[in-house]
Amino acid sequence: GENVEQHPSTLSVQEGDSAVIKCTYSDSASNYFPWYKQELGKRPQLIIDIRSNVGEKKDQRIAVTLNKTAKHFSLHITETQPEDSAVYFCAASDGNNRLAFGKGNQVVVIP
Amino acid sequence: NAGVTQTPKFRVLKTGQSMTLLCAQDMNHEYMYWYRQDPGMGLRLIHYSVGEGTTAKGEVPDGYNVSRLKKQNFLLGLESAAPSQTSVYFCASSILGDDTGELFFGEGSRLTVL
Repeated sequence: GENVEQHPSTLSVQEGDSAVIKCTYSDSASNYFPWYKQELGKRPQLIIDIRSNVGEKKDQRIAVTLNKTAKHFSLHITETQPEDSAVYFCAASDGNNRLAFGKGNQVVVIP
Repeated sequence: NAGVTQTPKFRVLKTGQSMTLLCAQDMNHEYMYWYRQDPGMGLRLIHYSVGEGTTAKGEVPDGYNVSRLKKQNFLLGLESAAPSQTSVYFCASSILGDDTGELFFGEGSRLTVL
């Protein structure tokens, strides 16, 4: 099945700086790559997703890039704010039409 | 429009006891899922359903059973709880399959098995 890995496991950034989280996946047939944000004690919520026919997608301060050849995709957060502090999960669809999640990245924005 | 609602939100069980977690969604979604979340392990799929009357095993189904008798409800049962089942359980639903569209999660149910 699909194996999704996220790096780094924890990321600390100064408020206003950019944060980048990278995920790698193993199944070359994967074609859907969402990112979920989970604030402490809350439910995960979709923040952005990308499909395999697109290389980059932006939504205000967040963007996702996809490199199918290298089988990795990254979440970029610009001008980080304290409310960006959360755990971020990447996921990838596997060859059996199921979604496999990474283990999550803790992002801490230091005021 | 409440979205996805889980009950109960907290529960403490003794080893060997049974319980049922209820998930209800009011968005008319076909697909529903149960995940467990453990520290450092991300979200792992327990069981899922692609429509009323259907269920299928996910990544970690052992020790759990599910039923989808009504489209809006998805029940997760533990017949004989074990300490290894201490976790936070999330229900989710989606219009399309989870590999093509957004998952809408409930608030989570924290289960402790002593």
